[in-house]
Amino acid sequence: ETGVTQSPTHLIKTRGQQVTLRCSSQSGHNTVSWYQQALGQGPQFIFQYYREEENGRGNFPPRFSGLQFPNYSSELNVNALELDDSALYLCASSFFGTVYEQYFGPGTRLTVT
Amino acid sequence: SQQGEEDPQALSIQEGENATMNCSYKTSINNLQWYRQNSGRGLVHLILIRSNEREKHSGRLRVTLDTSKKSSSLLITASRAADTASYFCATDASRDSGNTPLVFGKGTRLSVIA
Repeated sequence: ETGVTQSPTHLIKTRGQQVTLRCSSQSGHNTVSWYQQALGQGPQFIFQYYREEENGRGNFPPRFSGLQFPNYSSELNVNALELDDSALYLCASSFFGTVYEQYFGPGTRLTVT
Repeated sequence: SQQGEEDPQALSIQEGENATMNCSYKTSINNLQWYRQNSGRGLVHLILIRSNEREKHSGRLRVTLDTSKKSSSLLITASRAADTASYFCATDASRDSGNTPLVFGKGTRLSVIA
């Protein structure tokens, strides 16, 4: 088990609603990355936060947004939920550098109906 | 989009046998990593191999990297039922410095039968 925690574990939302997912990074890590994993697929990079600013973004629309707080925890916000947003959302923490491994949380399973 | 492609998509073996999974990727990399995922839960980092390395060992795991062929393999020796999981290769996005996002393949589903 890593020291990365995510909440909630499961979530059911209706199309058009908004959702906030939370992540606490491992002690000593200052970077948080968010990934979306659809069923049967590998994780897809959404964005990364370092020093409370977005530091890279994947091919996701602006309705996916995030925050990083001074204690390095992070939030992922998704507005105007669509059915295709149903997925496992993973956050991963790491220490900013040139070569690194990421420590993943257990994920939040989001179902949009 | 996916960078890596794992092969095979699914693998079923008997306990005690060796399991080999392959990964191919498309662009230049700084390093390649292998992760394990149990039943749709979080990913666990297994091993990282840098672009200037050819082989790396960690316990029952052996990873090779061939940058000329843009491919890597993960060998799990003497498999156990607890090794049943999905295995993903992940490459960085090759920037000059700083953290780069990992780009994952679709994974190989390994089933080890006791």
